[in-house]
Amino acid sequence: KAGVTQTPRYLIKTRGQQVTLSCSPISGHRSVSWYQQTPGQGLQFLFEYFSETQRNKGNFPGRFSGRQFSNSRSEMNVSTLELGDSALYLCASSGGWGTGELFFGEGSRLTVL
Amino acid sequence: GQQVMQIPQYQHVQEGEDFTTYCNSSTTLSNIQWYKQRPGGHPVFLIQLVKSGEVKKQKRLTFQFGEAKKNSSLHITATQTTDVGTYFCAVITGGGNKLTFGTGTQLKVEL
Repeated sequence: KAGVTQTPRYLIKTRGQQVTLSCSPISGHRSVSWYQQTPGQGLQFLFEYFSETQRNKGNFPGRFSGRQFSNSRSEMNVSTLELGDSALYLCASSGGWGTGELFFGEGSRLTVL
Repeated sequence: GQQVMQIPQYQHVQEGEDFTTYCNSSTTLSNIQWYKQRPGGHPVFLIQLVKSGEVKKQKRLTFQFGEAKKNSSLHITATQTTDVGTYFCAVITGGGNKLTFGTGTQLKVEL
C-alpha cells in the first residue's frame, strides 16, 4: 500500500508569490490534514478535510487555504508569501474521522526568499 | 486552546542508557498519541493511549498515561543509535483528527 505522497518535495519562492502544494493520501483514506513545521513554532495544525469539506481549521491567516477533491487528493495554497512562511509543510491522512493515527507524508520544504 | 508541555527539550545519552520524555497538560486529556521523527524525516505514529493509567509496551519502549489523564511518558530502555530523533506527544483537539503537538524532545545517542 503506497504511503502519503507530497509534491513538490522542495521549492523556493520569493516574497509576494504564491505556492500550491499537493498531497495524495493513502488509498481509501478520506481525511487529509495539513501541518506546518518550523524550528520556532514546532508542528502546527493548518486544516483538515474530510470528504471534500473543511472540517477543522487552525489559527493561520486567510492567505493559507486548501481544498480536497473527490478522489481525496488535497492541495493547499499560500498566497502573498512572507519570509515567515518558510517551513516544512506536512500532509497527513487518516482512515476515518477522529480515529487517531495519522500517516504523514515526507513533506514539502518551502523556502521563501 | 489545548496546550501540552513536553520535557526535556533535548537529551543526550550514551548508547545503552535509558531515556524518558514527559508530556503534561493542565486539563484532562481524552487521549494522547506519540510520534517519532527521525532527522530529516516526517513524524511516524508510535501509539495512542486512551485509558487512565494505561501502560503499553513496544519492545524497548514503554508508554504510560497518567491516572488523572493529564500527563504521559515515553521511556526507552537501553537506547540504541536507531532511537535518535525527536519524540512528540500529541492530543486530538477540536474533533476529527486535529492534533495539538507537544514541543518535542530531541534525543541524541552517542556511542
